[in-house]
Amino acid sequence: KQEVTQIPAALSVPEGENLVLNCSFTDSAIYNLQWFRQDPGKGLTSLLLIQSSQREQTSGRLNASLDKSSGRSTLYIAASQPGDSATYLCAVEDGTSGTYKYIFGTGTRLKVLA
Amino acid sequence: DAGVTQSPTHLIKTRGQQVTLRCSPKSGHDTVSWYQQALGQGPQFIFQYYEEEERQRGNFPDRFSGHQFPNYSSELNVNALLLGDSALYLCASTLSGPYNSPLHFGNGTRLTVT
Repeated sequence: KQEVTQIPAALSVPEGENLVLNCSFTDSAIYNLQWFRQDPGKGLTSLLLIQSSQREQTSGRLNASLDKSSGRSTLYIAASQPGDSATYLCAVEDGTSGTYKYIFGTGTRLKVLA
Repeated sequence: DAGVTQSPTHLIKTRGQQVTLRCSPKSGHDTVSWYQQALGQGPQFIFQYYEEEERQRGNFPDRFSGHQFPNYSSELNVNALLLGDSALYLCASTLSGPYNSPLHFGNGTRLTVT
């Protein structure tokens, strides 16, 4: 059974720092991995999608990497800003039960201090 | 370009009642998934609809049912509500096929069961 874990659960950093969020999954049979951002009481905003055949994706100050064989992904945020404060969720599209289902971690709550 | 829209935004129901939540997918998307998110947790997959059929289902009881209409919009129905059904219900849409289309989420419906 696929399980997704995110470490740390919470993180507080001063503005301007570069930071790394970690995501691990137990079964390497995945189709895609997607990173999301969630603001309090809101829905999820897609940040980056990495296909299983890819190693990384970049969008602006965000870079996500994928090592499928070791079951890990990292989200790198450069020059963090207070507006980056949110919960960041990692999700894998499960290939063990047939496609279409995303399994989520519990997220990392990020606070960037001005 | 309209994103995923959900209605209502908030709902309060009593144990034993029934509820219907609605979702319109992002323009151009043909597939709708529903997720349940408890406080402090990641979203849990309920089911997915494609071509008006339930394509895959998560580990939720039969009290949870759904429907997809010819215009790709969808409904989630929950019968015999329990206190534990209180959660944020999220609708996500995507485009099926070899497109590796990201999941796009709505802002959710906050359901409170008293």
